[in-house]
Amino acid sequence: SQTIHQWPATLVQPVGSPLSLECTVEGTSNPNLYWYRQAAGRGLQLLFYSVGIGQISSEVPQNLSASRPQDRQFILSSKKLLLSDSGFYLCAWAGVVEAFFGQGTRLTVV
Amino acid sequence: GESVGLHLPTLSVQEGDNSIINCAYSNSASDYFIWYKQESGKGPQFIIDIRSNMDKRQGQRVTVLLNKTVKHLSLQIAATQPGDSAVYFCAEKARDNYGQNFVFGPGTRLSVLP
Repeated sequence: SQTIHQWPATLVQPVGSPLSLECTVEGTSNPNLYWYRQAAGRGLQLLFYSVGIGQISSEVPQNLSASRPQDRQFILSSKKLLLSDSGFYLCAWAGVVEAFFGQGTRLTVV
Repeated sequence: GESVGLHLPTLSVQEGDNSIINCAYSNSASDYFIWYKQESGKGPQFIIDIRSNMDKRQGQRVTVLLNKTVKHLSLQIAATQPGDSAVYFCAEKARDNYGQNFVFGPGTRLSVLP
């Protein structure tokens, strides 16, 4: 069966520090992969999605970037974090009908 | 979209009553419409989906209605329980130039009152 792993679960980082969040999928090949951000008490904001290795589509201009170095690996990065980057980050992959989400990373920038 | 920046609307219902959560969608060409439940601190979990050629689908205690004329989707929860308290998102599965994509609605927070 397909599973999606996302880590770390929580992260506290100082302003100006780099960021790397990793997401891996098992049990499927060539998945469409997504990064979402969710501010406290708010909806899901699509940040990036990828339909294949090295193919990244950015939905909103921001301080973040994404990479897909392997078929089932999706990485969210930042060179210098801002306070406004705090939030709940969710990785997801698209099945035939539905999207499957990881458990999320709670990022607090201090 | 801009809706992600707004506080989630809240629906409060008494335990045992029925809940109806509504959603408007935008893409007439979407294949599927899906409802997700997100509990605090967790990722969204699939509840039920409906294909675009259907207007009603029932699951266990949940019913999804699709009105394509007005581009409206609703989730009905029968005999709402405390464990139903969560944020509910609708999503439409659309095809864009790069392949399938999911577009999520703004979400509704369901609060079940004792």
